[in-house]
Amino acid sequence: QSALTQPRSVSGSPGQSVTISCTGTSTDVGGYNYVSWYQQHPGKAPKLLIYADYRRPSGVPDRFSGSKSGNTASLIISGVQAEDEADYFCCSYARNYNWVFGGGTKLTVL
Amino acid sequence: QLQLQESGPGLVKPSETLSLTCSVSGGSITDNNYFWAWIRQPPGEGLEWIGSIYYSGSTYYSPSLKSRVSTSVDTSENQFSLKLSFVTAADTAIYYCARQENPNIAPRGIDYWGQGTLVTVSS
Repeated sequence: QSALTQPRSVSGSPGQSVTISCTGTSTDVGGYNYVSWYQQHPGKAPKLLIYADYRRPSGVPDRFSGSKSGNTASLIISGVQAEDEADYFCCSYARNYNWVFGGGTKLTVL
Repeated sequence: QLQLQESGPGLVKPSETLSLTCSVSGGSITDNNYFWAWIRQPPGEGLEWIGSIYYSGSTYYSPSLKSRVSTSVDTSENQFSLKLSFVTAADTAIYYCARQENPNIAPRGIDYWGQGTLVTVSS
């Protein structure tokens, strides 16, 4: 199972919108509504931001949203803030009880 | 509030077996809505799913690690464990235990994580 493809880094100024893509195949991202997104600050455990492609857990700010088209999922941060500077990972269920992560994207807030 | 805590040796010699336990508190490991997962992260790198276990004992492993991984669950102690055999320096990583969606039920992501424990493979 190959890792999902994410850009290594993205950046944006405070208040701008930032999009992070996550590309897989029809056997993972495109085959199930099981994409999730995680935020990880240095030295911390990952935190769930989005599940089921676009659903947001309670307590996650609504500036974080998820979408999917075909084999590519996206995390959109609308109005990025300084505290959003972190690493972001996507994850998808794949067939036969496997899960695969993306390589991670470092978000820099300028 | 669910909490997970990893425990085990922080240093393992090459070719030996890495063993970790995850203690779950604030919730039951027998909740049928969830699997229980092990995920690792080499220093400065990305996340890698190692494997998952259901409270019944059913196990699911990453194809790349399957030959070296085993997991078990102890419902009486509300904990689950990981063993990774024949370790090398490439297995040096932060190891996380976590609560994960049951794909037979509904997508929920990986919603609770332990703090992680660094395991170094070195002689």
